[in-house]
Amino acid sequence: DTGVSQNPRHKITKRGQNVTFRCDPISEHNRLYWYRQTLGQGPEFLTYFQNEAQLEKSRLLSDRFSAERPKGSFSTLEIQRTEQGDSAMYLCASSLHGLAGSDTQYFGPGTRLTVL
Amino acid sequence: GESVGLHLPTLSVQEGDNSIINCAYSNSASDYFIWYKQESGKGPQFIIDIRSNMDKRQGQRVTVLLNKTVKHLSLQIAATQPGDSAVYFCAETPRQAGTALIFGKGTTLSVSS
Repeated sequence: DTGVSQNPRHKITKRGQNVTFRCDPISEHNRLYWYRQTLGQGPEFLTYFQNEAQLEKSRLLSDRFSAERPKGSFSTLEIQRTEQGDSAMYLCASSLHGLAGSDTQYFGPGTRLTVL
Repeated sequence: GESVGLHLPTLSVQEGDNSIINCAYSNSASDYFIWYKQESGKGPQFIIDIRSNMDKRQGQRVTVLLNKTVKHLSLQIAATQPGDSAVYFCAETPRQAGTALIFGKGTTLSVSS
């Protein structure tokens, strides 16, 4: 257990529905990242935050995807109007950035999304 | 393009053998590299990292070697155990550490006893 938690662990939804995932990072970590992983592939970067500021977004993050980290602690990832191609494992990671940090990204267990 | 690849998709070893997992990267500007282990149904687990100003780093039973000349990264696992069976990914950061990681496709390590 890395200390990064994600909820729910599994989500099954019908195409067209909206889903929201939550990530709770390691408490002192100021950076939080979202990745997506499909079967047999490595994780692909989606976006990351430093505190509450979203510093980078991948071109994979379409307009249907939105991520927030309103208080600089937990984060949510929402997918609107889900499509079957959104089926994947959504991974959250956190790191401590700065003079006292190593920037090592520690991952949570992921949320597996299945879109029917 | 900017990608991290692995030489072999699978590696099978006997318990007690030493394992070597290889990775080639294409971006000479990358300055931070990490190895992760991922077991089925779990998130990637940090194993060891190395920065571009080093060519070797050792951990507990693991060693990472970085050859910047040929853009090659390897993970050596000593005395491989059945619990080491997993998918291993190398990842790189083309920019400063603490930003987006780019992962390769992974090598599945199978350890038989």
